Amino acid sequence: QKEVEQNSGPLSVPEGAIASLNCTYSDRGSQSFFWYRQYSGKSPELIMFIYSNGDKEDGRFTAQLNKASQYVSLLIRDSQPSDSATYLCAVRYSSASKIIFGSGTRLSIRP
Amino acid sequence: EAGVTQFPSHSVIEKGQTVTLRCDPISGHDNLYWYRRVMGKEIKFLLHFVKESKQDESGMPNNRFLAERTGGTYSTLKVQPAELEDSGVYFCASSPRQGSPSYEQYFGPGTRLTVT
Repeated sequence: QKEVEQNSGPLSVPEGAIASLNCTYSDRGSQSFFWYRQYSGKSPELIMFIYSNGDKEDGRFTAQLNKASQYVSLLIRDSQPSDSATYLCAVRYSSASKIIFGSGTRLSIRP
Repeated sequence: EAGVTQFPSHSVIEKGQTVTLRCDPISGHDNLYWYRRVMGKEIKFLLHFVKESKQDESGMPNNRFLAERTGGTYSTLKVQPAELEDSGVYFCASSPRQGSPSYEQYFGPGTRLTVT
């Protein structure tokens, strides 16, 4: 079993709709949870982090964490074509440790 | 403030040759990480420096890989001799001294290594 699981996609969403990306993780000791966006040929860019159960909102992005279910999600409201990218879910066990990445979900926003 | 830089951006070498990748972290960042993404797989951790010391090298695939961080500044990752399965994108990341659970690792642009 992979430590961080994501559906590889592609996930196709019409412009202006809500894109919902999901992730599960295996280690209950995980402390911090991240969503990175990666454009083709570019480096991962952090867009959201969360470490408490519940929702965290930042602009059009909302991260949701449920530690009991070991589930993290990312909602993107009012999806734009520029949101088309691969979204990487990642977890970290302590504040200075390595990041464990999922394989990513490809998101495509269609005009 | 300059971000994490990596050199070269792309390297093509033959099997059996040696390649050295370089990473310059953000100035003042004590933590430096190396990651690798091989084709079709997730980004995987290789090792973690705190200043010049190796904090965690559990992800290093074998002894053909040697990482150094002289004086706690830039870091090099040498692959000797390179094998076909070493092809992939090597990312470097850095972060400040250990702090809150939310602090970010800043990623460099990566070095694409192709072994033929």
